[in-house]
Amino acid sequence: DTGVSQDPRHKITKRGQNVTFRCDPISEHNRLYWYRQTLGQGPEFLTYFQNEAQLEKSRLLSDRFSAERPKGSFSTLEIQRTEQGDSAMYLCASSFTSGTSKFFGPGTRLTVL
Amino acid sequence: AQTVTQSQPEMSVQEAETVTLSCTYDTSESDYYLFWYKQPPSRQMILVIRQEAYKQQNATENRFSVNFQKAAKSFSLKISDSQLGDAAMYFCAYEGGVGDDKIIFGKGTRLHILP
Repeated sequence: DTGVSQDPRHKITKRGQNVTFRCDPISEHNRLYWYRQTLGQGPEFLTYFQNEAQLEKSRLLSDRFSAERPKGSFSTLEIQRTEQGDSAMYLCASSFTSGTSKFFGPGTRLTVL
Repeated sequence: AQTVTQSQPEMSVQEAETVTLSCTYDTSESDYYLFWYKQPPSRQMILVIRQEAYKQQNATENRFSVNFQKAAKSFSLKISDSQLGDAAMYFCAYEGGVGDDKIIFGKGTRLHILP
């Protein structure tokens, strides 16, 4: 399967713990995006990469959030000191370049207890 | 800032009938892209249709077509011959031109298909 993959699909953690999610984009795609979706809402933009460069970060991305794409392939999103408000679906998407269609992964559902 | 508004939180349509989902957006840009995404209960976001703002011709993909009214900043989705598999959340989305690559989503419309 050459689609966007995300791991894990589900994560349950206790408040205050750190969590890390992984996204593997479609192999030839240079751009990689992270979104957050809460129940009943549309996805909200968090950040995106062009190859290994992080080009934009949303104000939603507090200091507890960090994203990396070290070799321009897979990306990780880390949340430190999780809070209950971080509970959401975290979606990853990739595209070949600016203006081309974005393809989404299945998401990682985070539950913070 | 760009915004996307979907004024219909939920809609229902009889199987095999036609339904239109509404979307309006606000932007000061002249070059941009518009999308409709489908998110079934499994929650994987699927691209349904895409429209480039510079194209006057409305995009179509099989049973899905759009009515793009650039001056009115309106971008509606028509689903013809509705099928049970069309039941999902539908999100209208906007992407700016070069240098503004993030997608902004509306809040979505939940579409129910009645057998």
